[in-house]
Amino acid sequence: DAGITQSPRHKVTETGTPVTLRCHQTENHRYMYWYRQDPGHGLRLIHYSYGVKDTDKGEVSDGYSVSRSKTEDFLLTLESATSSQTSVYFCAIKPGPKYEQYFGPGTRLTVT
Amino acid sequence: KNEVEQSPQNLTAQEGEFITINCSYSVGISALHWLQQHPGGGIVSLFMLSSGKKKHGRLIATINIQEKHSSLHITASHPRDSAVYICAVSRDDKIIFGKGTRLHILP
Repeated sequence: DAGITQSPRHKVTETGTPVTLRCHQTENHRYMYWYRQDPGHGLRLIHYSYGVKDTDKGEVSDGYSVSRSKTEDFLLTLESATSSQTSVYFCAIKPGPKYEQYFGPGTRLTVT
Repeated sequence: KNEVEQSPQNLTAQEGEFITINCSYSVGISALHWLQQHPGGGIVSLFMLSSGKKKHGRLIATINIQEKHSSLHITASHPRDSAVYICAVSRDDKIIFGKGTRLHILP
């Protein structure tokens, strides 16, 4: 299994609070991705990174920001959580553009 | 219209049956992926293919680039195959996912 972990695994927070999710890899892969998974929508890309300090937006980036200051960590921040951001969040990694992705175990976030 | 469409959305079959899940896409791709997600579980990559056919155990994946279509077959299905199967396509640095097919194999 690829060395990829997510923390926390479960979180309940209140509307308006900031939340940061962490993705950590031990594979030294260049690409890292944040997705959200919701019933009826499948996996949707929030943001991704193609190197340290290099990030780009996905299709559902509004309300989210990311940072990658070192290869192994990719942080997803919800500046002010809303109920519409209740979801399961998956991180994924891959070595290069023509490789398959490896997924983390997911983080279940509930915003009340 | 979604760029990646899967059919059927849901499938229930008896143990031992031959299963086919279909995937059609509408964009240019560099590769197609099939992934598996068990209930409450993580997501595992089954296949990545850009042409022809791949086989792993009882699972077979095929792709027709001209038709923009792929199929995932499961031979001699078993209850432990019950999961959501997700088709996805690679396009530049990103991967675009279908909504998944929920498969339930009855013993």
